[in-house]
Amino acid sequence: QSALTQPASVSGSPGQSITISCTGTSSDVGGYNYVSWYQQHPGKAPKLMIYEVSNRPSGVSNRFSGSKSGNTASLTISGLQAEDEADYYCSSYTSSSIVVFGGGTKLTVL
Amino acid sequence: EVQLVQSGAEVKKPGESLKISCKGSGYSFTSYWIGWVRQMPGKGLEWMGIIYPGDSDTRYSPSFQGQVTISADKSISTAYLQWSSLKASDTAMYYCARGDYDILTGYLDYWGQGTLVTVSS
Repeated sequence: QSALTQPASVSGSPGQSITISCTGTSSDVGGYNYVSWYQQHPGKAPKLMIYEVSNRPSGVSNRFSGSKSGNTASLTISGLQAEDEADYYCSSYTSSSIVVFGGGTKLTVL
Repeated sequence: EVQLVQSGAEVKKPGESLKISCKGSGYSFTSYWIGWVRQMPGKGLEWMGIIYPGDSDTRYSPSFQGQVTISADKSISTAYLQWSSLKASDTAMYYCARGDYDILTGYLDYWGQGTLVTVSS
């Protein structure tokens, strides 16, 4: 099972919006509405930000939103803040009844 | 409050065995999946496998199948990740995390603090 494809890095200025893509196949991202997104700050455990493509867990800012089109899922962060600088990972349930992560994207807030 | 508390850091030699633990509290341990995730130094997250403590249904990533064993003792609400013969390449941070209720859809909503495993001669 190959890892999902994410851009290595993205950047944006405070207040702007950015989008991180996560590309898979019809056997994972495209086949199920079971895409999740995680935020990880250096030295910390990951934190769930989005589940089932577009649902936010309680306590996660509504500046974070998720969507999917075909085999590509996206995480959008609006009103970028300094605290959003972190690594972001997507994951998807697969047709093999397991889960696969993306390679991760480093978000830099300029 | 949902909590996952992992065992402490380990330093081992190649060829040695190891079992690390993850104790869940604040929820029905047998009703939620528990997954394990590896993060090698400076690298991304890798999904290793997952177990449903209620019936011990276990799934492994092909990359980790045969390399590790995932188990759970529901009597003490604890999941385990074990190696029979460690390699230097097993040096990493290992996280446990709580998965879905009953049906596996893949998200991990509560995470342990991580267990750092260092394998060096």
